Amino acid sequence: AQTVTQSQPEMSVQEAETVTLSCTYDTSESDYYLFWYKQPPSRQMILVIRQEAYKQQNATENRFSVNFQKAAKSFSLKISDSQLGDAAMYFCAYRTLNSGNTPLVFGKGTRLSVIA
Amino acid sequence: KAGVTQTPRYLIKTRGQQVTLSCSPISGHRSVSWYQQTPGQGLQFLFEYFSETQRNKGNFPGRFSGRQFSNSRSEMNVSTLELGDSALYLCASTQGIAGGSETQYFGPGTRLLVL
Repeated sequence: AQTVTQSQPEMSVQEAETVTLSCTYDTSESDYYLFWYKQPPSRQMILVIRQEAYKQQNATENRFSVNFQKAAKSFSLKISDSQLGDAAMYFCAYRTLNSGNTPLVFGKGTRLSVIA
Repeated sequence: KAGVTQTPRYLIKTRGQQVTLSCSPISGHRSVSWYQQTPGQGLQFLFEYFSETQRNKGNFPGRFSGRQFSNSRSEMNVSTLELGDSALYLCASTQGIAGGSETQYFGPGTRLLVL
């Protein structure tokens, strides 16, 4: 079974600085998707960024980018120019490429605090 | 478009009772997945429904069940509640079957406290 590990339960960053959240996963599959979700306090979880494993190019969405190292099974999230609104729980998630319905497998999350 | 809605938002029950949670997906979405979120176990998949059929099920006891109606709204039921069932229950909807790169849109969750 696939597993996702987020080794940093909590992180903090100064406003306007850059922070990197770590995620590693374990799978025997060669094709899959990886996601970062953000869950603000008492608000809905939203998708931040996704990466297809067959794409070598790292995904980027505005201030959010990933460092995808397939051989190392690592998928870190970099947040540039951190803003107060970035404070949230961040979850790394994995899903197999199968065309059928497959659930997301989540890590346990990293709580990010942004210091003004 | 309205987002995923879940009712009720908060619920307090006692051990042994049963509870029913409701989820209304985004209009046009046909798949609803349910997850349990606890501080200790994180987010764990419960089940997924697509077109009124359960397509996938996580590793939870039979006390956890669900269903989906023809309008794609879904309910999950937990019978004989235990203290360990206290959690945030999230539902997520997708347009098609929840697989591959399909984006899952999450609701705000129902926070269940079992006393």
